[in-house]
Amino acid sequence: GESVGLHLPTLSVQEGDNSIINCAYSNSASDYFIWYKQESGKGPQFIIDIRSNMDKRQGQRVTVLLNKTVKHLSLQIAATQPGDSAVYFCAYNQGGKLIFGQGTELSVKP
Amino acid sequence: SAVISQKPSRDICQRGTSLTIQCQVDSQVTMMFWYRQQPGQSLTLIATANQGSEATYESGFVIDKFPISRPNLTFSTLTVSNMSPEDSSIYLCSVEGGGARTDTQYFGPGTRLTVL
Repeated sequence: GESVGLHLPTLSVQEGDNSIINCAYSNSASDYFIWYKQESGKGPQFIIDIRSNMDKRQGQRVTVLLNKTVKHLSLQIAATQPGDSAVYFCAYNQGGKLIFGQGTELSVKP
Repeated sequence: SAVISQKPSRDICQRGTSLTIQCQVDSQVTMMFWYRQQPGQSLTLIATANQGSEATYESGFVIDKFPISRPNLTFSTLTVSNMSPEDSSIYLCSVEGGGARTDTQYFGPGTRLTVL
């Protein structure tokens, strides 16, 4: 069946370091991918998205990389800050539905 | 993106009762969705709320347990019926679109439900 999974359930980084959160998906027909950030007590917040015709997209301090050959997606956060502490979810959109990965909790140490 | 609000933000309910959750959007949207997020888990789609017609439910979710209304393009409700402790979750509504991203989903703040 379809699934989206994450390699690491938890990630702890030092403030100022770069963070990399990974995601594997199984459906080769997926054509749209999204990263969300969910802070404690809040709903998921859109961070960045990428379509399957691209392999890299950059935002403010964030970069998403897509490797369709191995069905792998990653989110890179530059100069991680305490405010980046949250759970990060990858998801893919197909037929108007979103399927979410299990989530990675990012903890930033001062 | 659209601004989405939910009511209530949290509630504690007794087993066997029902709770209706409201989702209000500040602009008209075509697609609205309801998700469940169990404690420490990811999000699972419950149903797509269709304006003017019955909701489309995902496998494992039924209308008798989770009736949904969508009276217009800015509002939807989800009822959790005959609740049990297993229904304790965060319930989230989302909408599709807004601005340049027509197929991205944006989420409300969630309703945190505890069933005793």
